[in-house]
Order: sequence, then structure tokens, then C-alpha cells
Amino acid sequence: EAGVVQSPRYKIIEKKQPVAFWCNPISGHNTLYWYRQNLGQGPELLIRYENEEAVDDSQLPKDRFSAERLKGVDSTLKIQPAELGDSAVYLCASSLAAVTDTQYFGPGTRLTVL
Amino acid sequence: GNSVTQMEGPVTLSEEAFLTINCTYTATGYPSLFWYVQYPGEGLQLLLKATKADDKGSNKGFEATYRKETTSFHLEKGSVQVSDSAVYFCALSGRGAQKLVFGQGTRLTINP
Repeated sequence: EAGVVQSPRYKIIEKKQPVAFWCNPISGHNTLYWYRQNLGQGPELLIRYENEEAVDDSQLPKDRFSAERLKGVDSTLKIQPAELGDSAVYLCASSLAAVTDTQYFGPGTRLTVL
Repeated sequence: GNSVTQMEGPVTLSEEAFLTINCTYTATGYPSLFWYVQYPGEGLQLLLKATKADDKGSNKGFEATYRKETTSFHLEKGSVQVSDSAVYFCALSGRGAQKLVFGQGTRLTINP
């Protein structure tokens, strides 16, 4: 069974540029999460989807971050414009349903903003 | 709000040593508790979990017991191997909170 797929694995951009990350969850997983992991820290939730609906986006900086999950499968996380402080690893995870189910994580996208 | 505190790293041990990584939590109600591991160059993987008080999670020789009275979920392994070198994260999910709250991670290095 394929795991959570993310692309790109690495991205280097200049500040004020836009950037997008893509995630394909495990087949059949209805719940999708985006986390941000700063260097030396644990991941922090940005947004959670149940199918197509964003049910928890309270930690998403909405002035510059946006996300979508069309058709309840793939998801895209976008930053526009990027700031130096956005440098981090962006992780996507999926689970069958409720959070007490195991969350399966992708390898992440390491973003460096110069 | 919910939070997780892990012992600070890095931790360096010799092969076959006994391992303990401390984890304590603050939460309302009865959270589920998890240990995730991140091997070099790989994504986070669930190592073990416990969903109620006194439960013991175990996997790959690692164990952790959900201690409600001390609000702890310490990770232990009796004899570590070089291949256990990784970053270990303790995490919780509160009932109905629908998200994981992670500790800051503990980097473990095992020397042969």
C-alpha cells in the first residue's frame, strides 16, 4: 500500500515569492492534516480536512496561507507571499477518520526562504 | 490548553544500554497518548500508542505506560541498537480535539 505522498521534497525560494505544496493521502483516508515543523520542534497543526471540508483551520495564518482539498482526495497548501519565518518542514498526514486512528505522515517538504 | 513536555536531548547511549525518554502531559479529560519516531531522512512513524489509563503500548522492543496519576508516558527500551538512532516525539490527542499535540522531540544517538 502506498503511503502519503508529498511533493516537492525540497524548495528554496526568495522572500515574497509564492510557493505551493502538494499532498496525496493514503487511499480511502477521509481525514487529511497539514502540519508545520520548525527546526528542533515538534509538528504543529495548520489545518485539518474531513473529506472536502476544512474543519479546523484555527492555526492557519490566513493572511498568507491557503489550502484546498478538491474532491476530498489530494490537497494543496499555498503560501503567498512567503516570509523568512516560513522556513520549515511542511508535513501532510492522513487517517481513516477520527484522530484516535493512527495518523500516517508523508516525508514532508523542506522549505527554505532566502 | 493541552501540552506535552519531553526530556531535552540530545541523548547519547552505547549499544545495549537501557533507554528512558521522559514525557509528561497536561490535558483536560482523558487524552490518547502516542510516541512517534523520525528516522534520518524519513517521515514520522507511529511507534506505539495508549488510549486509556494504565494501558501499555509496545512495539519493536519499546514500551510506554499511560500513567494518569503522574500524567506521564515515558518511553523505555531494555537494550538499544544503533538502528534506534532517531528523533522521538511524544504526542497527545484530546477527546474531541481531533488533532495531535507534539512535544519538542528528543534526538537519540546510539554508538556501537
